[in-house]
Amino acid sequence: DIQMTQSPSSLSASVGDRVTITCRASQSISSYLNWYQQKPGKAPKLLIYAASSLQSGVPSRFSGSGSGTDFTLTISSLQPEDFATYYCQQSYSTLTSTFGQGTKLEIK
Amino acid sequence: QVQLQESGPGLVKPSQTLSLTCTVSGGSISSGSYYWSWIRQPAGKGLEWIGRIYTSGSTNYNPSLKSRVTISVDTSKNQFSLKLSSVTAADTAVYYCARDRYYDSSGYYYIAFDIWGQGTMVTVSS
Repeated sequence: DIQMTQSPSSLSASVGDRVTITCRASQSISSYLNWYQQKPGKAPKLLIYAASSLQSGVPSRFSGSGSGTDFTLTISSLQPEDFATYYCQQSYSTLTSTFGQGTKLEIK
Repeated sequence: QVQLQESGPGLVKPSQTLSLTCTVSGGSISSGSYYWSWIRQPAGKGLEWIGRIYTSGSTNYNPSLKSRVTISVDTSKNQFSLKLSSVTAADTAVYYCARDRYYDSSGYYYIAFDIWGQGTMVTVSS
């Protein structure tokens, strides 16, 4: 199975900050990496697919990069509505799918 | 605008079978190249993919749950369903249904969960 590891597990930041979250795969997954945002009591929302492609309707302050085993999600200038938990997910394996453990982004 | 809605019992007894249905509205479950997935999330924990189905009936399951999971589709009702047998307290979670969409990027096809239901809480308890 492909394991996904995110870091950090939690992060405190202020409005306007630039924030980076990292996701590492246990084996190469090319660019088969997606990022989701989840707010309390809500379903996850797709932000980025194929490592760096922005889902329609998602603000351009969100960006993704990486390939192989190491990936990053960057928020260029944090807005109040961005405080949430973020998950990466690999879609390299056509037989199964796995998520990272999540990164909780909190207000400093 | 396609929407997904989970339904089913909120309380299941240990050793019994959990059964949930996801109803697709705003579009046909058979249109386009989509898979349809179930994902769960225990309280305060991360996301776990359970399995997916294509409208042809082909399925993929999480190896850790495969022996207990059955996902089926009813195209006439625009629904797909989850059955999880021999449940224990460890199966207590919010269960989401989601659409797997294929994206074409630079000539390669990538899949992501682009539409989710609101989720339904299932508690396993006697």
